[in-house]
Amino acid sequence: SAVISQKPSRDICQRGTSLTIQCQVDSQVTMMFWYRQQPGQSLTLIATANQGSEATYESGFVIDKFPISRPNLTFSTLTVSNMSPEDSSIYLCSVTDSSGNTIYFGEGSWLTVV
Amino acid sequence: QKEVEQDPGPLSVPEGAIVSLNCTYSNSAFQYFMWYRQYSRKGPELLMYTYSSGNKEDGRFTAQVDKSSKYISLFIRDSQPSDSATYLCAMKRQGNTPLVFGKGTRLSVIA
Repeated sequence: SAVISQKPSRDICQRGTSLTIQCQVDSQVTMMFWYRQQPGQSLTLIATANQGSEATYESGFVIDKFPISRPNLTFSTLTVSNMSPEDSSIYLCSVTDSSGNTIYFGEGSWLTVV
Repeated sequence: QKEVEQDPGPLSVPEGAIVSLNCTYSNSAFQYFMWYRQYSRKGPELLMYTYSSGNKEDGRFTAQVDKSSKYISLFIRDSQPSDSATYLCAMKRQGNTPLVFGKGTRLSVIA
């Protein structure tokens, strides 16, 4: 299984600011996925990040709000831009194993926007 | 209709009970089925992973898949207070594709 580290683990942010979340994996992976989990809700996919290409965003999520970088096979960042209280969520990075069929998650980044 | 339906509970059982958690799905392209356990303020932890229809057992946990009915279950035998968590079913198509999650069922096991 992959070991995934996310930073920050939690933060309290001011409305209107932006925060970048980092995701580091202990092995090279092809695909990385970013999910959001709003309070009391399940996980919703934000975007899929493939190294060397633009991220693919799901319906309801746009690059201007959630820019993603994927500079190499072990690292990705997600920025939450111009934050509002509705962005208070857990943001989770995940990766697939070599078969592409099992997905592992980091511990998540808990953001509270005030 | 949502792609994956899961009763959110909450579900409260006495210690030692058998717990049954269920999900239904509508997309026949889903081939891989997983159960994640999520403790409060933690990321999801992969609990069980199945591919084919039938049962898969791991200790006190049994995952069951019925592709013909588009129905999956997770059974927990001899439930313990430490099993108290939210259980999320998730499924995906073949290859490097993302997971689609159920809403999660919150389970409390009372000592």
